[in-house]
Amino acid sequence: AQRVTQPEKLLSVFKGAPVELKCNYSYSGSPELFWYVQYSRQRLQLLLRHISRESIKGFTADLNKGETSFHLKKPFAQEEDSAMYYCAFSLRYNNNDMRFGAGTRLTVKP
Amino acid sequence: DAGVTQSPTHLIKTRGQQVTLRCSPKSGHDTVSWYQQALGQGPQFIFQYYEEEERQRGNFPDRFSGHQFPNYSSELNVNALLLGDSALYLCASSTGLKSWTGELFFGEGSRLTVL
Repeated sequence: AQRVTQPEKLLSVFKGAPVELKCNYSYSGSPELFWYVQYSRQRLQLLLRHISRESIKGFTADLNKGETSFHLKKPFAQEEDSAMYYCAFSLRYNNNDMRFGAGTRLTVKP
Repeated sequence: DAGVTQSPTHLIKTRGQQVTLRCSPKSGHDTVSWYQQALGQGPQFIFQYYEEEERQRGNFPDRFSGHQFPNYSSELNVNALLLGDSALYLCASSTGLKSWTGELFFGEGSRLTVL
């Protein structure tokens, strides 16, 4: 079954430290992968998508098909990065059917 | 643009009752997806509506049904409520098949408590 796994429910780092949020997927084809973020008292929103190969708010994510991973990274974490992060995937051209992982709560301490 | 709007924001029902949740998509969007988010979990896909038809469905029983209207707004209906149906129900809109981007725009959700 197609599935997204985020092994860490909680992740805490100090301001200025590097951060990596892990995401692994199980799918035999080529899914489209995304990271969504939910800041405190805000709606769930798109952070970045694999297909755009972009960096948003200093975050990047590389698709590793060999390891079936799509880890989210930032070299220097900021306090405003504290939020809930969800990895998600959609089967290419499959009607936006998005499947989400359980999420990782990132806390960046001052 | 108010974005995706959902109503009601909170509601309490008892087991066996029925509930209807409503969603208005972001302006310009024609596709609506519904998600269930239990406490401590990620959103779980229920179904998606496009052109007033259910196009895709997740692993949810037939007690969960929906509808999409000509103005693209949508309703989620849950019959014979169970305690386990207590969750935050999220509506998300997108541009759908015509111009797939993969980006979903979410509402703030309707929190359902079943007693």
